This record gives sequence, C-alpha cells and structure tokens, in this order.
Amino acid sequence: QLQLQQWGAGLLKPSETLSLTCAVYGGSFSAYYWSWIRQPPGMGLEWIGEINHSGNANYKPSLKSRVSISVDTSKNQFSLHLSSVTAADTAVYYCASDYGDYAGEYWYFDIWGRGTLVTVSS
Amino acid sequence: DIQMTQSPSSLSASVGDRITITCRASQSISSCLNWYQQKPGKAPKLLIYAASSLQSGVPSRFSGSGSGTDFTLTISSLQPEDFATYYCQQSYSTVRTFGQGTKLEIK
Repeated sequence: QLQLQQWGAGLLKPSETLSLTCAVYGGSFSAYYWSWIRQPPGMGLEWIGEINHSGNANYKPSLKSRVSISVDTSKNQFSLHLSSVTAADTAVYYCASDYGDYAGEYWYFDIWGRGTLVTVSS
Repeated sequence: DIQMTQSPSSLSASVGDRITITCRASQSISSCLNWYQQKPGKAPKLLIYAASSLQSGVPSRFSGSGSGTDFTLTISSLQPEDFATYYCQQSYSTVRTFGQGTKLEIK
C-alpha cells in the first residue's frame, strides 16, 4: 500500500524559499508521476507541478519561474522548492501520486500526503 | 491552461436526495476527468477516474459520466458522510487543473 509522508518548514518570511520533501513508501517509485498541489486557506486546489523518476518535470506555467521539483531515487523522495515567496503562497501543500493506467491514457491523483501548512508572514 | 468550471459552487440537500454536480472543460478533454471529495482538514480523496470509473472502495451511490467538455458527478442517495466539497480535475493536459469546487451542505 503506497503511502506518502511529507515534511518541511511551516513558517517563512517574504522572499524566502519554500522547501518541502515527500517520501514514498510501499510502492513502485518508477510507476508514477509525483505531484505537488496546494490549497490556500478556504480556497480550492491548485496543481503546482510534478516529476517522474527520470526527472522529467511539468510545471504550472504561472509558477514556473519560481518552482523547482526534484527527485532522489536513492531515497524514494521528491522535493518542492518555491522561491521568493509572498503572503499569496500561504497554503496547505500536498504531495500526491499521479498514477497512469496501463496505456498511460488516464491519470489521476490516487494517494495524497497529509498536507503541510506553510505560512508566509513578516 | 485548460479551465475547469464547476456548477453549482454550493448546494444544499437532504439525506436521501439525489444530486448532480456539473463540470465543464474549456476544451475537449476526452474522458480524462477525475472527481475528488474533500472534508475539512483532510486531503482530497479520489472518487471517480476516467470520467466514469469508480475508485476501489468508493460506494456505488457515486457515479460519473460525460466526455469531451461536459461531465457530471451524481450521488444517488445522499448519506450523512457525503457532505463535503467536491472537485473535478482534468488530466488531458500535462498541466493539470482543478475545478473551483462544489460545497455540498446539509439542508
């Protein structure tokens, strides 16, 4: 049974870099894309980006200039870095597995981490 | 980005009611549409994938339909545990996007 455990700093000052890591347990690290999704307080879900075990990454265009997602296959971990944060980046950040069916046609977020609240405040 | 628009944004219903939530994509996404349920303070939970496939362990009162640009999530007989927020999400594009959510409340 695949499980995701995430951690990282929960309080940042404006202009700092947000860093979160997600560890994958109990599943095949190479079978998925590994995603980051965030949710500002009281608002909806926003996909940030994702990466596969080979390091192929996709990002939300409006965040692309500030976002970097990396993967460490030796530890079955992937990480999010978001630079130059502002109050608008305050959100609960989730890691999730983006699973594709056998044909790679249908993809869906089937397993989620518990979420990390990141607050940006001076 | 492909824009996903849900309606209604909120919905009041009673236990036992049948309800439908609609999701519209800004361009055709084939059947690459997923539905999630989120309860306060919890991570979203996958309900339906590929527009109409029920995720393992999800009650059969949940169903999805549609293709192209128009999709629906139906709950056939609301149970107390179904009151939550529901999101659609497209996986047609490598830039994934979610709908804004539909909050289902008890009448």
